[in-house]
Amino acid sequence: DARVTQTPRHKVTEMGQEVTMRCQPILGHNTVFWYRQTMMQGLELLAYFRNRAPLDDSGMPKDRFSAEMPDATLATLKIQPSEPRDSAVYFCASGQGQGMADTQYFGPGTRLTVL
Amino acid sequence: AQSVTQPDIHITVSEGASLELRCNYSYGATPYLFWYVQSPGQGLQLLLKYFSGDTLVQGIKGFEAEFKRSQSSFNLRKPSVHWSDAAEYFCAVGARNTDKLIFGTGTRLQVFP
Repeated sequence: DARVTQTPRHKVTEMGQEVTMRCQPILGHNTVFWYRQTMMQGLELLAYFRNRAPLDDSGMPKDRFSAEMPDATLATLKIQPSEPRDSAVYFCASGQGQGMADTQYFGPGTRLTVL
Repeated sequence: AQSVTQPDIHITVSEGASLELRCNYSYGATPYLFWYVQSPGQGLQLLLKYFSGDTLVQGIKGFEAEFKRSQSSFNLRKPSVHWSDAAEYFCAVGARNTDKLIFGTGTRLQVFP
């Protein structure tokens, strides 16, 4: 049963520290999405990639967030420096690049708490 | 602009009762519509999707949804709810010419025994 995996599942850190979240998309999927979920804002798209190239990162605060795909099996989302307002659940999802018709497969999320 | 509205933030039903979760969309052409479910502490899982053809779509876990173009709606239904259906439900529309999904704000379903 192919699944999207995310590590770590939980992360507690102090303000100002760097946070790196990792995602392994389903093998063969060529699109990767990063979402942030909070009670106040709901589910927000931060960035997404196709064939490892960033297509849209308009939802991401550029001054502290960065997203990369070092290879087809790994996507990373970094926050440096982290702030308490970054506390949220961060989801990665992958898809087969079928455009509007595509199904996105979500990972279990990383719950980030910034103190 | 494309958008999705889920008017009900929270719904409570008794186990065995029928369920209908509302979803309205704004889209200038034939939409690609999705329902996802999020169980506590989990990621989102696709329940069903509609692209074209039969306007009544069957999904997993006994759910179905009906696309009504005249009402710009894609409501999710289940004839008899089980306690394990307690979760948050998200309606989404595929954004034109991209891989992106536009999600609604979600409806939290609570099921009483």
